[in-house]
Parts: sequence; structure tokens; C-alpha cells
Amino acid sequence: NAGVTQTPKFQVLKTGQSMTLQCAQDMNHNSMYWYRQDPGMGLRLIYYSASEGTTDKGEVPNGYNVSRLNKREFSLRLESAAPSQTSVYFCASSAGQGAKNIQYFGAGTRLSVL
Amino acid sequence: AQSVTQLDSQVPVFEEAPVELRCNYSSSVSVYLFWYVQYPNQGLQLLLKYLSGSTLVKGINGFEAEFNKSQTSFHLRKPSVHISDTAEYFCAVIEGSQGNLIFGKGTKLSVKP
Repeated sequence: NAGVTQTPKFQVLKTGQSMTLQCAQDMNHNSMYWYRQDPGMGLRLIYYSASEGTTDKGEVPNGYNVSRLNKREFSLRLESAAPSQTSVYFCASSAGQGAKNIQYFGAGTRLSVL
Repeated sequence: AQSVTQLDSQVPVFEEAPVELRCNYSSSVSVYLFWYVQYPNQGLQLLLKYLSGSTLVKGINGFEAEFNKSQTSFHLRKPSVHISDTAEYFCAVIEGSQGNLIFGKGTKLSVKP
């Protein structure tokens, strides 16, 4: 009963390095999301994918790219990491968009950029 | 744009005492309100939600919240807390039927023996 799985759990990068955060869900959900969580800031939406084949910017998309690889997988890429991207990243999924569809969250990826 | 304000960043309370975590939202024609809980080193899970109907909503783990349209509030309450309720609690809102979640900054509840 995995739900939403994120890899890796922890990562340390140097400024300028690139990496991809992976997310997969096994609930046959249509919609997937990437958030970042910073102390005292709550969660802020980076990108989302309302359905397979579509992606849209959220509140804080700068410095990130996403790929909805298939219905199960939604990856987040940092092309050139910056210290300001040090954060905890959460992936979530839901059956569809909107209030009637509960979002289920992964356990998070803790990223430090030195 | 829709916004959510959680008035307290930290709430310390003794075990078995009642607790209220406050949440206010900016007014809109239609809003849908949520409370999520995040236990240490875990993701978020839904506690309860208000979509329509009764303004008193009951959730998991003995929590409840009341939607108050005139005060634009959605405060979370529990009559008697346990050590295991120590966590960070997030209020969130969706504006309109197809919007995305907008989170408050969170309230850290610390339950002491």
C-alpha cells in the first residue's frame, strides 16, 4: 500500500549542480503536484499536472522544470541548483483537481544546496 | 487572491487540556477549507474538510472544526489532547471548484506531559 513514493529522501548538492526528484503514485490518480516547504512559510505550489500530458506553473516555478512522464510519475528537475532552493519538497496526487478530491502526500525529499 | 492566516505559529499545551488552533481566510464567493496534519519527518495527511452543509466538521483523531462565514474563520479544536497530537497543523483553502490548495504558514502544536 505505497501511495505516493518520493526518491531520494535526502540529497545534498553543490551550487550549480542539477538533479531530478522522482515521484510515483499507485492510486491511478489523474492530478499530481510538487510543493516546497520552508520554515514559517507553509507549503507553496511549484508546478502541477492536472492530467497526464499537461503541466502548469504554481506559485513559485522559477528555477524548476517538471515532466509528467506517464500517469504514475511526475518528476521535478533543478537545472542549476541554488542555495535558495534548500527546502523540503513534497509530491502529492489526487483523483482530480478541485475541492472534492483529497490530495495525498509523499514523505518528502530533504534537499540542501551548499 | 485567496489567502489563509494562521494566527499562532506555536501552541504549547499540557496533555489532556483543550486546544484551539486558529485559521482565518480571505473572503470569497465560494471557499472550501481543509486542515492537514504533519507529524515529524512525515508528509501531510488530511484531518478534515469543509465543502458545504453543516458548519461543524468532525475529523480524525477527535479533532473538529467550525466554519464561520461571518468571521471568515475555520478554527480547529480538540477537547483533550494527547502527547501523540504533537505535530504541525496546516489550514488550507481552495477557491472555486477547480482551484489549487493554498496553505497557511502552519501552527506547531506541542503537547507536554
